[in-house]
Amino acid sequence: AQRVTQPEKLLSVFKGAPVELKCNYSYSGSPELFWYVQYSRQRLQLLLRHISRESIKGFTADLNKGETSFHLKKPFAQEEDSAMYYCALSGRLAGSYQLTFGKGTKLSVIP
Amino acid sequence: GAGVSQTPSNKVTEKGKYVELRCDPISGHTALYWYRQSLGQGPEFLIYFQGTGAADDSGLPNDRFFAVRPEGSVSTLKIQRTERGDSAVYLCASSFDPGLADTDTQYFGPGTRLTVL
Repeated sequence: AQRVTQPEKLLSVFKGAPVELKCNYSYSGSPELFWYVQYSRQRLQLLLRHISRESIKGFTADLNKGETSFHLKKPFAQEEDSAMYYCALSGRLAGSYQLTFGKGTKLSVIP
Repeated sequence: GAGVSQTPSNKVTEKGKYVELRCDPISGHTALYWYRQSLGQGPEFLIYFQGTGAADDSGLPNDRFFAVRPEGSVSTLKIQRTERGDSAVYLCASSFDPGLADTDTQYFGPGTRLTVL
């Protein structure tokens, strides 16, 4: 069974402070990991995925297979980063295309 | 271009009634997914279509839930004998070929908020 755990329901940081949103996963094969973001009154959208190794809006995430983690990081938080963030996992390489989501972390950036 | 659309945006019904929720995927997307998001939870997978066929319906909670995609585009999620526990936001997503890393990004619709009284 695949599972995604986001231990923090809410994370509050001051503008300009570093941000780390934690994500741990459980999966027996080779997973693909994603971060999705939902801004207020907007739909869920892909932020980044581990295989692209990109930095999007200043966010990065590294897949650590040893620790089964995929934490999302940003060195300097901005007010516009305030949103709900979901970590998700797919077993695409095994032919399982559904996304398994964590419960989400609400990021609040304090001006 | 137009994104995934879902109708209605809100649906209020009474316990025991039948409801239909519609999803219009992005044009050209062959794969379509339904998820359900309860309050305080992340989206949970229900069913996935590749073309007209349901390739994976392992997430459907019971036989009151059924979905179709007769022409490989629009999909309808059908819930019979609704229960209060069915209240949630129902999300639809679509993608190109999910088997390839370059084309499997799922694009989500705005959701339908279902409330069962």
